Amino acid sequence: QKEVEQNSGPLSVPEGAIASLNCTYSDRGSQSFFWYRQYSGKSPELIMFIYSNGDKEDGRFTAQLNKASQYVSLLIRDSQPSDSATYLCVVNMYDNQGGKLIFGQGTELSVKP
Amino acid sequence: DAMVIQNPRYQVTQFGKPVTLSCSQTLNHNVMYWYQQKSSQAPKLLFHYYDKDFNNEADTPDNFQSRRPNTSFCFLDIRSPGLGDAAMYLCATSRDIQPQHFGDGTRLSIL
Repeated sequence: QKEVEQNSGPLSVPEGAIASLNCTYSDRGSQSFFWYRQYSGKSPELIMFIYSNGDKEDGRFTAQLNKASQYVSLLIRDSQPSDSATYLCVVNMYDNQGGKLIFGQGTELSVKP
Repeated sequence: DAMVIQNPRYQVTQFGKPVTLSCSQTLNHNVMYWYQQKSSQAPKLLFHYYDKDFNNEADTPDNFQSRRPNTSFCFLDIRSPGLGDAAMYLCATSRDIQPQHFGDGTRLSIL
């Protein structure tokens, strides 16, 4: 079983719709969860992080975390063509040397005008 | 603006010719990471420095080395690049367990 699993997509949504990106993780001890956006040929860009169960909203983005189900999601409201990118679900596994990010394979999102 | 800067953005080297990639940061973060990312794959951690302590991933080839002469700079040395080492190399930094911030990456090509 992969440590962090995402649907690879591509996920295609029309402009203005809600895009829902999902992720599950295997380590119950994980404490920090991140969503990075990566445009083709560019480096990952942090867009959301969440540490506690529940929802966290930032503009059009909402991250949702359910530790009991080991599930984290990202909702993008009013999707725009500029949101078309690969979204990486990332879990931080802590050790005594800080942390080690475990990346999912990424979900490719395509927002059609 | 505080940031993570990688040089060069594009690097071409010959098969077997040593190459060094550099990363600098103005964020005063104590942790610096090097990742390798190949097309359509997630970034793969090669190693990281937690302060001065070097942490190598178990599956990182011996061909890859790193140096961190001070807090701000970190280098990735590839001693004898092979065709399979062509990739995007990403540097990232963090303050302890806080989120990591990535540089723009260096795309390495091997002739």
